[in-house]
Amino acid sequence: AQTVTQSQPEMSVQEAETVTLSCTYDTSESDYYLFWYKQPPSRQMILVIRQEAYKQQNATENRFSVNFQKAAKSFSLKISDSQLGDAAMYFCAYRSANFGNEKLTFGTGTRLTIIP
Amino acid sequence: NAGVTQTPKFQVLKTGQSMTLQCAQDMNHEYMSWYRQDPGMGLRLIHYSVGAGITDQGEVPNGYNVSRSTTEDFPLRLLSAAPSQTSVYFCASSTGTAQAEQYFGPGTRLTVT
Repeated sequence: AQTVTQSQPEMSVQEAETVTLSCTYDTSESDYYLFWYKQPPSRQMILVIRQEAYKQQNATENRFSVNFQKAAKSFSLKISDSQLGDAAMYFCAYRSANFGNEKLTFGTGTRLTIIP
Repeated sequence: NAGVTQTPKFQVLKTGQSMTLQCAQDMNHEYMSWYRQDPGMGLRLIHYSVGAGITDQGEVPNGYNVSRSTTEDFPLRLLSAAPSQTSVYFCASSTGTAQAEQYFGPGTRLTVT
């Protein structure tokens, strides 16, 4: 079974600075997808960024980028130019590429605080 | 286009009571699932469905039943509520392909006393 580990329960960053959230995972599969979800105080789960394991190029979405190290099974999220609206819980998630196994396996989350 | 809707948003139950959490989506998604979120544990999969008439268990299925009679609806039933089922419940849907985004509902906060 796959597992996802987020070892930083809480992180804080000054507004406009850069912060990196860590995520490691364990799997025996070679093809899979990795996701970062944001959960603000409203409780809504919002997809931030997605990475396909077969792609070597790291995904980027505006101020959000990932550092995907497949051999190390590491998938960190970098937030540049942090904004107050980035304050939220961030969850790393794994999904198999095998048909019929679409479930998401989540890490325990990192609470990000933005310091004005 | 309402996306994924869940009702109710909040619910308080007494131990032993039963209830159904409703989930509906209007995106014609084949895949639907239920997760529970507990402090310090992330989201854990309860049950999922890959299409109408097909359901399967996730990681933490005990105490919950599901059915999928239509593509749109995927209700979650608590048969006899227990305090351990106090949690926030999320319904999600997607097209069913591995790379597809899962769309989450707003969640239901359930308290069992």
